[in-house]
Amino acid sequence: EAGVAQSPRYKIIEKRQSVAFWCNPISGHATLYWYQQILGQGPKLLIQFQNNGVVDDSQLPKDRFSAERLKGVDSTLKIQPAKLEDSAVYLCASSLGRITGELFFGEGSRLTVL
Amino acid sequence: AQSVTQLGSHVSVSEGALVLLRCNYSSSVPPYLFWYVQYPNQGLQLLLKYTTGATLVKGINGFEAEFKKSETSFHLTKPSAHMSDAAEYFCAVSDDGNNRLAFGKGNQVVVIP
Repeated sequence: EAGVAQSPRYKIIEKRQSVAFWCNPISGHATLYWYQQILGQGPKLLIQFQNNGVVDDSQLPKDRFSAERLKGVDSTLKIQPAKLEDSAVYLCASSLGRITGELFFGEGSRLTVL
Repeated sequence: AQSVTQLGSHVSVSEGALVLLRCNYSSSVPPYLFWYVQYPNQGLQLLLKYTTGATLVKGINGFEAEFKKSETSFHLTKPSAHMSDAAEYFCAVSDDGNNRLAFGKGNQVVVIP
């Protein structure tokens, strides 16, 4: 079974530029998550989708971050404009359902903002 | 709000010795508790979880954890460390049944030959 796919693995940009990350979850997984992991900290949930609807985006900085999940499958996370403090690893995860299902994580996309 | 505390970012353990990683949680309702492991250049992988029932939970690779409500703890143990256990370990809690996990800061485990 293919795992959660993410791209790009690494991205370096200058502040105020924009960047987009892509995630393809495990086939059949209805729930998709984006987490932000800053160096030295644990992952922090940014947004949770159930199919193509948003369940929780309370911790998403909506002035610069946006996310969508097309047709309830792939998802894109965008940052525009980027700030230095956005340097982090962006993790995508998926699960079969919302209730205590195991989260399967991708390898992450490492963003460096200069 | 739910939260998790993991003390000591780096933990060194000798090969063959006990691995003990401490996790204390804060939750307003009975929690769901998880331990995840992250090997170098890989995604996070579920080690074990507690939802309901037996408070001693066994996971993969010989790890286990015990839920102690009175101590609000979910410590992770393995009787004998192996070199392959070198990784970062995260404790996480969910208290709303919607699978929204709050992670601790993690423990980087180094195994000394």
